[in-house]
Amino acid sequence: GAGVSQTPSNKVTEKGKYVELRCDPISGHTALYWYRQSLGQGPEFLIYFQGTGAADDSGLPNDRFFAVRPEGSVSTLKIQRTERGDSAVYLCASSYTGSWETQYFGPGTRLLVL
Amino acid sequence: AQTVTQSQPEMSVQEAETVTLSCTYDTSESDYYLFWYKQPPSRQMILVIRQEAYKQQNATENRFSVNFQKAAKSFSLKISDSQLGDAAMYFCAYRSASRDDKIIFGKGTRLHILP
Repeated sequence: GAGVSQTPSNKVTEKGKYVELRCDPISGHTALYWYRQSLGQGPEFLIYFQGTGAADDSGLPNDRFFAVRPEGSVSTLKIQRTERGDSAVYLCASSYTGSWETQYFGPGTRLLVL
Repeated sequence: AQTVTQSQPEMSVQEAETVTLSCTYDTSESDYYLFWYKQPPSRQMILVIRQEAYKQQNATENRFSVNFQKAAKSFSLKISDSQLGDAAMYFCAYRSASRDDKIIFGKGTRLHILP
């Protein structure tokens, strides 16, 4: 079946602009995760959804970052007033229920803020 | 807080040879999961192998096996009969079994396969 998909694959924006990154999880997966991977680093956790609600948003770096999952499937990560330091690959993962289930990752969105 | 440390930023191995990637972690929990993920240039994180902390037996998946030393908090990955397609970034990762479903990753080891 289809894996986790993310759009766009690449996004270039200017400092101060607003961006939205989209994640389509595997069908039927209730748990969805966002991670951020800076150059030369491992992915770092941002936020975790169980269904429609954010179960853990402790990784969001500041209030410019926000994520939603209104119908419990597709999720959108929103970044306001982008800064050059936001440049990174944003990875999305999903799992069937969360907990011990394997997380399956998408190909990521590479965000470049000029 | 849990941490994962990979002390080898890069490694190289001759094709068909065996290589071991090192990983140590720190946690006060007794129940958790450990993973090795592979990330090729396509950016897609691919699960290579998984170990449950309560299992004493080391996990194996074809040419990939781990050496899990719980007391030492060590979790190394051995790749046997290395192939060109094994070239990638490899991330060691930790996940609590009791709370917080997030995965904590190390900084990664870039593996080069020499033909």
